[in-house]
Amino acid sequence: GAGVSQSPRYKVAKRGQDVALRCDPISGHVSLFWYQQALGQGPEFLTYFQNEAQLDKSGLPSDRFFAERPEGSVSTLKIQRTQQEDSAVYLCASSSTPGGTGYQPQHFGDGTRLSIL
Amino acid sequence: RKEVEQDPGPFNVPEGATVAFNCTYSNSASQSFFWYRQDCRKEPKLLMSVYSSGNEDGRFTAQLNRASQYISLLIRDSKLSDSATYLCVVNANTNAGKSTFGDGTTLTVKP
Repeated sequence: GAGVSQSPRYKVAKRGQDVALRCDPISGHVSLFWYQQALGQGPEFLTYFQNEAQLDKSGLPSDRFFAERPEGSVSTLKIQRTQQEDSAVYLCASSSTPGGTGYQPQHFGDGTRLSIL
Repeated sequence: RKEVEQDPGPFNVPEGATVAFNCTYSNSASQSFFWYRQDCRKEPKLLMSVYSSGNEDGRFTAQLNRASQYISLLIRDSKLSDSATYLCVVNANTNAGKSTFGDGTTLTVKP
């Protein structure tokens, strides 16, 4: 496909379980972003990769959140010991240029809707 | 105070109306600006970039006022299909990669 692909679309987990969310960016895009979106709010920045390097993880809410992009393509966002407040839509986006430069927009995936019971 | 603020609305307008949204940002070092559109339970999609000189794309006009640190979006001759949430996005190059989103303004266009 030509767009950003995220899986799973929906994830239900019990509090305390670990979850892993996958993002497959647009081929060749150097920048990859993860966002968390709560109901009625805009996406909140979590972390940013330029190729395989995680250049900014200032938005990760706690050390339970971990993201990686080992080969500079697919990325995984892992949440350990999930809590109810982790329930949200997790959006992945990619961009063709290094983040924050120029006017290149971010292309978003459909998101993973995470519900913690 | 949030870094990027928008009037949440909702804006309820009849078809054919002209509607304007404003967005203010607090970081004077911000470099690039966008409007995204998000339909209910869908991902955000780029509507248009915002340039210093202002730009127009069909019925949509975006303007940037750096001195007052606000961005505007004007929609003319609104259509039913314009109903969505409009997100203001600000990038500050000093935080490479980090985009800051407003919480969005909800527009409903009614027949």
